[in-house]
Amino acid sequence: DIQVTQSPSILSASVGDRVTITCRASQNINSWLAWYQQKPGKAPKLLIYKASTLESGVPSRFSGSESGTEFTLTIGSLQPDDSATYYCHQYNSYSSYTFGQGTKLEIK
Amino acid sequence: EVQLVQSGGGLVQPGGFLRLSCTASGFTLPNYYMTWVRQSPGEGLQWVANINPDGTDTFYVNSLRGRFTISRDNTKNSLFLQMNSLRAGDTAVYYCASGGKLGALDLWGQGTEVVVSS
Repeated sequence: DIQVTQSPSILSASVGDRVTITCRASQNINSWLAWYQQKPGKAPKLLIYKASTLESGVPSRFSGSESGTEFTLTIGSLQPDDSATYYCHQYNSYSSYTFGQGTKLEIK
Repeated sequence: EVQLVQSGGGLVQPGGFLRLSCTASGFTLPNYYMTWVRQSPGEGLQWVANINPDGTDTFYVNSLRGRFTISRDNTKNSLFLQMNSLRAGDTAVYYCASGGKLGALDLWGQGTEVVVSS
């Protein structure tokens, strides 16, 4: 099975900062990687799919990129509402999905 | 409004069973792969199972294969998860989700809590 390793597990930053979260896949996943935002008590919300495609309605300060098996979620200018836990998700094959361990983003 | 509405969670004793339901409104569920994801208290997301649009192919995380069964009734725009031989470790919030973005999960149910305890 494909593993994804997400880092960091906790991130603290200030409003206006640029932040990055990284996921590394254990093998080639052909850009089939998504990013989700989850707030306490709520279902996850899709932010990015196919590594870099912004989901409709998601603010443009969110972006995704890839380099080989390493994928990055960037928040260009952190806003107070961005406090949440973020997960990556590889979906290279319908037979097996994997989520990253999650990154809890705290606003200073 | 496009949404997935879940039902069927609750408290169950170890060894018991539950059937979760997920009904789509505002869109045609038969067009999509559907997924169940769970989240244990204080933990991250875990993929549970997938089912293809016509229900002929199902896939499971290795640790749950044999105890959990995903199914769908496209005539009722609904998805199900039958959970048998439940254990304390199955205690979690269970989410259904549609893979409307070629597998990426673009619409999620509200989640339903399952507590396995005596």
